Amino acid sequence: DGGITQSPKYLFRKEGQNVTLSCEQNLNHDAMYWYRQDPGQGLRLIYYSQIVNDFQKGDIAEGYSVSREKKESFPLTVTSAQKNPTAFYLCASSPEDRGTNEQFFGPGTRLTVL
Amino acid sequence: DQQVKQNSPSLSVQEGRISILNCDYTNSMFDYFLWYKKYPAEGPTFLISISSIKDKNEDGRFTVFLNKSAKHLSLHIVPSQPGDSAVYFCAASAKPTGAGSYQLTFGKGTKLSVIP
Repeated sequence: DGGITQSPKYLFRKEGQNVTLSCEQNLNHDAMYWYRQDPGQGLRLIYYSQIVNDFQKGDIAEGYSVSREKKESFPLTVTSAQKNPTAFYLCASSPEDRGTNEQFFGPGTRLTVL
Repeated sequence: DQQVKQNSPSLSVQEGRISILNCDYTNSMFDYFLWYKKYPAEGPTFLISISSIKDKNEDGRFTVFLNKSAKHLSLHIVPSQPGDSAVYFCAASAKPTGAGSYQLTFGKGTKLSVIP
């Protein structure tokens, strides 16, 4: 079954700790994205990657870091520098060559900072 | 500055009637528009899209209309069903410049409630 998986579904962390959210896809997509959703807000882009070993900052990259060592994987680290990390985090991927711009989303990870 | 706006945070519709969700955009470079449906605690799922060279795209109960001169698009759901109750996000993209990546700009969403 092709798709995007995110783990864990729910994550709790203490203030001041770094935490890494997992995102894996087996769709053979080149591009991957991380978004954050807050209540009453749309999806805001944190980071994106078009290709392995390359990634770009999105609109709200401060306090986050990513890596893209494999095509299938795009983990997001929420660092202690992120002022308001409690949110719903969504990972997405897209086939860059399709030209339709459609992105496929994972089920999300809800991060709560205690 | 919000480039994609969904001005109605919520909408309630009777089962069987038409649901109309609206979206406005400001960036004239946007050339592709998508609608996503999202249930609580789940990722958005793609619903329907439209290219700027068209003014209408239909898929079953879902139709998207694009008015480029007004920079406005709408999603029509007919007939509405209780299972359609979800948050609907409008998204837009522009052709990337150079080697840039396609990116989506999302609206804040409209919560649709279909009443049985």
